[in-house]
Amino acid sequence: GAGVSQTPSNKVTEKGKYVELRCDPISGHTALYWYRQSLGQGPEFLIYFQGTGAADDSGLPNDRFFAVRPEGSVSTLKIQRTERGDSAVYLCASSPLAGNTDTQYFGPGTRLTVL
Amino acid sequence: AQSVAQPEDQVNVAEGNPLTVKCTYSVSGNPYLFWYVQYPNRGLQFLLKYITGDNLVKGSYGFEAEFNKSQTSFHLKKPSALVSDSALYFCAVRDHTGTASKLTFGTGTRLQVTL
Repeated sequence: GAGVSQTPSNKVTEKGKYVELRCDPISGHTALYWYRQSLGQGPEFLIYFQGTGAADDSGLPNDRFFAVRPEGSVSTLKIQRTERGDSAVYLCASSPLAGNTDTQYFGPGTRLTVL
Repeated sequence: AQSVAQPEDQVNVAEGNPLTVKCTYSVSGNPYLFWYVQYPNRGLQFLLKYITGDNLVKGSYGFEAEFNKSQTSFHLKKPSALVSDSALYFCAVRDHTGTASKLTFGTGTRLQVTL
């Protein structure tokens, strides 16, 4: 079946611009996660949704970052006034539920470059 | 706070030889442990996980991992390496307590398998 998909695969923007990154989870998965992976590092947690609500947004670095999941399926990560330090690969994952034992399945990521 | 350490940036092994990629963790309570693999320009692919039970966990592509509670380790192993196993490997941990669902990743270990 279809895995997690993310669009765009690459995004180049200028400092100060606004960007939106989209994630389509595996059909029927309740939980959705966003991570950020900087060069040479492991993924770092940003936010996760259980259904439509953000259950944990403790990883968002500041108020320029925001994410929504209005219908409990597709999610959009929004970054305002982008900075060069925001350049990274943004990964989305989904799991059937949000239980501690559930496996998270990752999408291919969106590579964001802020010039 | 939970954390994962992957002490080796790179592991080199000849094809046909056994391989080990090391991982140690720190978490309050019992851990849930995961291994993922990342190929170039691809997302993370799930290999295996330890939840409870047998300390030796078998996963995809012939990989296995051994949970050692006294040493707080979860090393990834394979009896006979293939050139196609060359990739970036990430160990991750999730806290057993509460409903916290985020994964905490190590910094990754690059596995290079040569002929």
